[in-house]
Amino acid sequence: QKEVEQDPGPLSVPEGAIVSLNCTYSNSAFQYFMWYRQYSRKGPELLMYTYSSGNKEDGRFTAQVDKSSKYISLFIRDSQPSDSATYLCAMTINAGGTSYGKLTFGQGTILTVHP
Amino acid sequence: ETGVTQTPRHLVMGMTNKKSLKCEQHLGHNAMYWYKQSAKKPLELMFVYNFKEQTENNSVPSRFSPECPNSSHLFLHLHTLQPEDSALYLCASSQATGSDEKLFFGSGTQLSVL
Repeated sequence: QKEVEQDPGPLSVPEGAIVSLNCTYSNSAFQYFMWYRQYSRKGPELLMYTYSSGNKEDGRFTAQVDKSSKYISLFIRDSQPSDSATYLCAMTINAGGTSYGKLTFGQGTILTVHP
Repeated sequence: ETGVTQTPRHLVMGMTNKKSLKCEQHLGHNAMYWYKQSAKKPLELMFVYNFKEQTENNSVPSRFSPECPNSSHLFLHLHTLQPEDSALYLCASSQATGSDEKLFFGSGTQLSVL
C-alpha cells in the first residue's frame, strides 16, 4: 500500500465549477500537510500549508484536513482556466529536526478547467 | 534572479557520458534538496543538504553524486546513467528553522538518457 494515495485523474471541469481534490494516507504520524500546484514544464509551487485537522482558506482555495480519517482535500471555488495544472498533495511527520524537507508526495491530479 | 534557478532546463546524454546539473537559490535558505519526478510516479526525495552537510541519501545509486559547496549552490553529478534514470530532476530549498517545512522548487532539468 502506498503511503499517500491520490487519484491521478485527469479531471476536466467547466469554468466556474467547484473542484475537489483528495488524498488519503496511511501513516498516522503525518502532521503537516501541503498542496502544491505544478504547471507544465515548471516546478511545483506551494499553494496551501496546514497543520492539524480543520479548514484553512486562502482566496478561492480551501484546504481541509481530517486526521481521524487520514484524508485531506483541496477545494477550488469559481475555477478558472488558469487553474489548469497538476495538483500534488504532500505531507511530513514534523517540521524541522531530522525530517525537514522529507515530504511524501501523492502522484498528482491533472486538472483542466475549460472555458 | 529570484527563487530557485536550475540549469540546464533540458539534457540529453548517452549512458557513458558525464554531466552535471546545477541549482542556485536566491532565498537565503539553509537547506537544499534534490527530488526526482518520473512519469506517473510521486516525487522521490534523493538528497538533503543542511548547512552544506549532507543529511540524507535516500538509497540513491552511486551514479548520482551530489555536491553542495555552499548554502546557495547545489550540484548533481551524473555518470554512466541508465535509460530508467530519464526523469525531471527538481532542486528545492527551505529555511529549516524547526517550525516550517515550506519547500521552494526550481523549474527542473528534464533529463533523457539514451
